[in-house]
Amino acid sequence: GAGVSQTPSNKVTEKGKYVELRCDPISGHTALYWYRQSLGQGPEFLIYFQGTGAADDSGLPNDRFFAVRPEGSVSTLKIQRTERGDSAVYLCASSSTQGATGELFFGEGSRLTVL
Amino acid sequence: GENVEQHPSTLSVQEGDSAVIKCTYSDSASNYFPWYKQELGKRPQLIIDIRSNVGEKKDQRIAVTLNKTAKHFSLHITETQPEDSAVYFCAASMGGGGNKLTFGTGTQLKVEL
Repeated sequence: GAGVSQTPSNKVTEKGKYVELRCDPISGHTALYWYRQSLGQGPEFLIYFQGTGAADDSGLPNDRFFAVRPEGSVSTLKIQRTERGDSAVYLCASSSTQGATGELFFGEGSRLTVL
Repeated sequence: GENVEQHPSTLSVQEGDSAVIKCTYSDSASNYFPWYKQELGKRPQLIIDIRSNVGEKKDQRIAVTLNKTAKHFSLHITETQPEDSAVYFCAASMGGGGNKLTFGTGTQLKVEL
């Protein structure tokens, strides 16, 4: 597609449930990032993929959060045993530049609400 | 890790006036400083960026300045227009492997008619 696509755009779930958020990056972009944005805050880094491998997962808050990118394109962020504090907009971004700074193209985000 | 502080949190200007947003960073190894604009409910979009080997960059009505010694950088918007109203985020990165950006907390800019 022309831009980064994220699904679902909105997800409401109950505390304790499992959630998957999907990101389809810009075609050909090898770098993929997940960020989390709470209300009134800037995006907070979660994890970065270069190809299929997670190059930096230092931003994942705990072991309930996991992300995969098995074929080096689409990525899924998985959250187990969701908590109310997980409520936020989860942003995915992709970049065409390997190992150097380059523009990040963001998706519209997936808004997660945990009741 | 890196810490980015951004001021002010809200800024209201009259149409045609200039707007300045300031950020400071903590890690002297940071070498890439982008600015993103985010309209309500929309994705963040890059509007300008600067690398540590230059002190100033300009693109039409938008300019960014960088002071590496003081570890601060600023966004300047001249001749503001209503469509400039949005939240602006500064960010910093050390580059190298990937582009792990640390963002500021954002500035809500309102341009009044």
